[in-house]
Amino acid sequence: NAGVMQNPRHLVRRRGQEARLRCSPMKGHSHVYWYRQLPEEGLKFMVYLQKENIIDESGMPKERFSAEFPKEGPSILRIQQVVRGDSAAYFCASSPEDTYEQYFGPGTRLTVT
Amino acid sequence: DAKTTQPNSMESNEEEPVHLPCNHSTISGTDYIHWYRQLPSQGPEYVIHGLTSNVNNRMASLAIAEDRKSSTLILHRATLRDAAVYYCILRKNSGYALNFGKGTSLLVTP
Repeated sequence: NAGVMQNPRHLVRRRGQEARLRCSPMKGHSHVYWYRQLPEEGLKFMVYLQKENIIDESGMPKERFSAEFPKEGPSILRIQQVVRGDSAAYFCASSPEDTYEQYFGPGTRLTVT
Repeated sequence: DAKTTQPNSMESNEEEPVHLPCNHSTISGTDYIHWYRQLPSQGPEYVIHGLTSNVNNRMASLAIAEDRKSSTLILHRATLRDAAVYYCILRKNSGYALNFGKGTSLLVTP
């Protein structure tokens, strides 16, 4: 059973470009969570999604950030017009139910130049 | 939300037991105590969780104080592969967002 997959593992974008981060949950998991880890800090919750629904996006910046989890395909975290402060590691986790343990992917390290 | 306090870093010798403490004096009755660890350049990994009773699994043991205001993660025999940042997290029974603090950075020396 493959674990949570994230791609790309490393992404470099220039200021003003768009970044798209993909997350494929573990087989049988319908709950997806996105977290951001800034350098030297712990992970911070961003958004919680189920198939085709955003359940809680209270941790998402109000502008430029969006997330989706379509009926088919991976979950996408989209950052428009990236700035240097968006440079971080973005982790996706999945679970079969919302109170089950979360299984994390290897992360996408975004660098904005 | 209740907060946890952990030492910034700890060091252990290989093959010896490690006791990683966590204080959570404002824990509520519905808070579960979870431990995750993060190896270098990887995503966090679930270790163990408990509510009131001590818990054991293949990775570690969790000892919870009787008043639940503190807990200790026990690695019975540290290996070099256990070098990681260990996070103690309180999670409500109905909650889903994990609140990672700075954790304890464990160094294991041969």
